[in-house]
This record gives sequence, structure tokens and C-alpha cells, in this order.
Amino acid sequence: QKEVEQNSGPLSVPEGAIASLNCTYSDRGSQSFFWYRQYSGKSPELIMFIYSNGDKEDGRFTAQLNKASQYVSLLIRDSQPSDSATYLCAVLGAGSYQLTFGKGTKLSVIP
Amino acid sequence: GAVVSQHPSRVICKSGTSVKIECRSLDFQATTMFWYRQFPKQSLMLMATSNEGSKATYEQGVEKDKFLINHASLTLSTLTVTSAHPEDSSFYICSAHQTGAGEQFFGPGTRLTVL
Repeated sequence: QKEVEQNSGPLSVPEGAIASLNCTYSDRGSQSFFWYRQYSGKSPELIMFIYSNGDKEDGRFTAQLNKASQYVSLLIRDSQPSDSATYLCAVLGAGSYQLTFGKGTKLSVIP
Repeated sequence: GAVVSQHPSRVICKSGTSVKIECRSLDFQATTMFWYRQFPKQSLMLMATSNEGSKATYEQGVEKDKFLINHASLTLSTLTVTSAHPEDSSFYICSAHQTGAGEQFFGPGTRLTVL
């Protein structure tokens, strides 16, 4: 059974700090990895996706992937109160269109 | 970016009635759409995978006769909750997979309340 694990949090960081969100997955054949942000009462919105080992940067967000360790992370630099949300890690298996979601990490950025 | 709409955004109904939720991909064709359910403070739970022109694939524990899915075109999938009961009250979210792309694009969700 494919599993995606995330620390449920809440993770609290001060405004301007770096928030680090972590995710591990069980299916070694997974190909693509996604980070979604979900505000309370809203549907998820895609922040970033990553396919290859290493880092991928997009503005204040950096996704990191280590397939050998089956680990993917999201760094948020210069955290803002508006970043306060639940962050969902999702994994796409090989040859599949189905995403497997983690339970999400709740991030709280303190002004 | 790809846009997915859902209608209605919110519905309140009496126990025993049926409710239809529409999911549309507005600017792309989606051969595959997914229906999720999310209870308060819980993660997304995949209910079923909907493929255009074929029967939906339901996840274990999801009653296919209760949650009817139709994917008649490349831009529209519908979920009908038949004989809804209070325990069906939840946030229903669809997503669409754009042909040739890896990511899924989510609709805004439909909040169903069954009295």
C-alpha cells in the first residue's frame, strides 16, 4: 500500500523565518512529487512539483527531492502570515494518474 | 493556468434526496477526473477515478451505487450522491488531469450539508 507521511504539526514559525516542511513516501517507484497549499474551507492549490533529484526553486519556495531516501521537502523563505495554511504532499506513482496525499502539515506564521 | 470549476459551491438538502455536483475543465481536455471527499480537519480521501467514456473506478469502501459518477465528455464529470444522509455531509472536491501533464488541477469544492 502506497503511503505518504507528513508531520501533522502545527508548525509555528515567526514572520520572515524559513519554514521547512517534510514528507516521506513508501513507493520507491514514485515518479512525481507535488506540494499543494490548502486554506481552511478551500480546495488545494498547486505550489510546486518536482521530478528530479535535487532542488527546484520558484520564488520564495524551494522543493527538494531525494529519491534514494524517499524524501521530499518544501522550504518557504521569508515566511509571511498569508503562508499560514495546511501543506499537502502528494506523490504520483509510475504509470499512474492517481495522486496519493499525505495528511498535511499545518503551518502557522506568527507576525 | 488550467482552470477547473465546480457547481454548486454549496448545497443544503434534506435526508433522502439526491444531489448532483458538476466538475468542468474550462480550458483543457481532461481524460481523467478524480473525486475526493474531505471531512473536517482530515486529509483528502480519493473516492473514485473517472475516465471519459468508461465506468468510474471506485476506491475500497466507496459505494458505487450511492455515489454515481458520469464522465460523458472530455470537460465534464458529474457526481450524484443518491439518497443522501447526514453522514454524507462533507466537502467534495474534484480534480482534473490534463492529458500529457503530470499535475492535477483542483476545482474549488462543493460543501454538502444533509439535514
